[in-house]
Amino acid sequence: GAGVSQTPSNKVTEKGKYVELRCDPISGHTALYWYRQSLGQGPEFLIYFQGTGAADDSGLPNDRFFAVRPEGSVSTLKIQRTERGDSAVYLCASSDGTSANEQFFGPGTRLTVL
Amino acid sequence: GEDVEQSLFLSVREGDSSVINCTYTDSSSTYLYWYKQEPGAGLQLLTYIFSNMDMKQDQRLTVLLNKKDKHLSLRIADTQTGDSAIYFCAESMRGGSQGNLIFGKGTKLSVKP
Repeated sequence: GAGVSQTPSNKVTEKGKYVELRCDPISGHTALYWYRQSLGQGPEFLIYFQGTGAADDSGLPNDRFFAVRPEGSVSTLKIQRTERGDSAVYLCASSDGTSANEQFFGPGTRLTVL
Repeated sequence: GEDVEQSLFLSVREGDSSVINCTYTDSSSTYLYWYKQEPGAGLQLLTYIFSNMDMKQDQRLTVLLNKKDKHLSLRIADTQTGDSAIYFCAESMRGGSQGNLIFGKGTKLSVKP
């Protein structure tokens, strides 16, 4: 069956520009997570949605980062006024909310800010 | 705060067993996970263990949990070159069925033929 998909796979932008990263979770999964992975590090949590609402956004680094999930399925991570330090792989995961909290990851979007 | 620690590198010969170790700090974690990441790819969930278990076996994978010492290990039997990847240990932030995971920095496993 289809897994989590993310688009684009690569995004190169200039400092100060706005970017949007998209995540399509596994069909029927109610929980959706965004993580960021820098080189040589493990994924770091950004935000998670239960349905349409952000259940926890404590990992967002500052107010330049925002995410939405208006219909409880696809989610978009939005970054304003990008900085070089935002360069990383942005990972999305989804979960069906069962007791084991198994999270299934997409291939990620590699963001490069020049 | 929460922290998950792993050794960064492990090198083994094909056919040997590999043991990847992890320590975690959040004693309330309900589930602990092992993920595999191959170059340029996303994370693949390998297995997980519930905190009231001390061992779980799944084909070539054996997970051992020492809750008292907050130590988790992943043993891969008969390691193959296709097992070469980065392995991440993760704990569930708040336990239960939701919430973010806290990951270690990953252990890079190199398998020599």
